[in-house]
Amino acid sequence: LAKTTQPISMDSYEGQEVNITCSHNNIATNDYITWYQQFPSQGPRFIIQGYKTKVTNEVASLFIPADRKSSTLSLPRVSLSDTAVYYCLVGPMDSSYKLIFGSGTRLLVRP
Amino acid sequence: GAGVSQSPSNKVTEKGKDVELRCDPISGHTALYWYRQRLGQGLEFLIYFQGNSAPDKSGLPSDRFSAERTGESVSTLTIQRTQQEDSAVYLCASSLALINTDTQYFGPGTRLTVL
Repeated sequence: LAKTTQPISMDSYEGQEVNITCSHNNIATNDYITWYQQFPSQGPRFIIQGYKTKVTNEVASLFIPADRKSSTLSLPRVSLSDTAVYYCLVGPMDSSYKLIFGSGTRLLVRP
Repeated sequence: GAGVSQSPSNKVTEKGKDVELRCDPISGHTALYWYRQRLGQGLEFLIYFQGNSAPDKSGLPSDRFSAERTGESVSTLTIQRTQQEDSAVYLCASSLALINTDTQYFGPGTRLTVL
């Protein structure tokens, strides 16, 4: 399973765009990139998933360069409620798959 | 619809006691996962079930930990002879199938405190 590296913490202000980059240099051909969000005292919840190029949903965008060795989660116009820990996960789509959560990135949104 | 539920939400126990943690997955989800999260840290994968079968138990921290699942539904995580280092939040998740593109839905967790 590919190891991921992401910043330990980030600070932002309300209304700003936040970009969190995750490095996964040894990503395999059949690996997908998934991001989860965890609020305090809650379990993580799925945000977005992609394989290559760009994926966008109502919550975020995920940018994946051609070499797929990194990915960037983009949160547009963050609010205080976006304060959470964001996890980047990389893994294959097969029956032996299991998610490996690292320590994540703690995002603090200030007023 | 109902999400993943876990019970109890909080459990305080004395060192050396056994505890059982319960997870009720979303109905119809064949895959179920257990994680441990220590205070201020990321999630540590413990075990997964495909149906009632747990093919890989290598993530369990020690032989004091065991898990089972019945009826492709409820799962219990049992910790025998609890130690203080077992104090953590234990999270359960379920997904439709055991593939990466199936979202894992997490429960609220059980906060275990071993005195």
